[in-house]
Amino acid sequence: QVQLVQSGAEVKKPGASVKVSCKASGFTFSSYAISWVRQAPGQGLEWMGWISGYNGNTNYAEKLQGRVTMTSDTSTSTAYMELRSLRSDDTAVYYCARRQLATPNWFDPWGQGTLVTVSS
Amino acid sequence: DIQMTQSPSSLSASVGDRVTITCRASQSISTFLNWYQQEPGKAPKLLIYTTLTLQSGVPSRFSGSGSGTDFTLTISSLQPGDSATYYCQQSYSTPHSFGQGTKVEIK
Repeated sequence: QVQLVQSGAEVKKPGASVKVSCKASGFTFSSYAISWVRQAPGQGLEWMGWISGYNGNTNYAEKLQGRVTMTSDTSTSTAYMELRSLRSDDTAVYYCARRQLATPNWFDPWGQGTLVTVSS
Repeated sequence: DIQMTQSPSSLSASVGDRVTITCRASQSISTFLNWYQQEPGKAPKLLIYTTLTLQSGVPSRFSGSGSGTDFTLTISSLQPGDSATYYCQQSYSTPHSFGQGTKVEIK
């Protein structure tokens, strides 16, 4: 079945970096994009950006520009999201989700989420 | 950037009630509007895409409507398992912003 499986929870100190993986199965990775969304504790959903599984093109949220990098490995159908210079307000559950390459698009399915805790 | 505003932020209704959630975009997004359901502690789940298309497996009591800037998610007969937070999201242009969410509780 179509599935996204994310890496496990992380605890990081302020200023460190984190890299979350998202392994896809059940579909052709290069025919879709992978989006990343995060959710701070008790808060709503925040769109972070996306990476094309077709050609690796990326589009990032302006507020994360310079701190976030999304990559993919088509040989293993895995997408990665690296966030640098972590701050306490980066503490959140990070989700990956499959979306269509073109517009309109929608997010389905979602990974199970990866909790990233930033604390000294 | 396109801002998405949902109302109400929360509601409490009885089993069998008809529930309506509204989502408004700060500019026209045609019909590029999706709805997601998130149960506590779980990942969001796609309910409806491009305004009115029900995702496979989603009960027919859920429906969507609208176009331009104003959209609606309707639950025709609220069931106990519908207790969740519902989010709208636009896919018209990046950033693909979400509404702030509507928490639905069962009385």
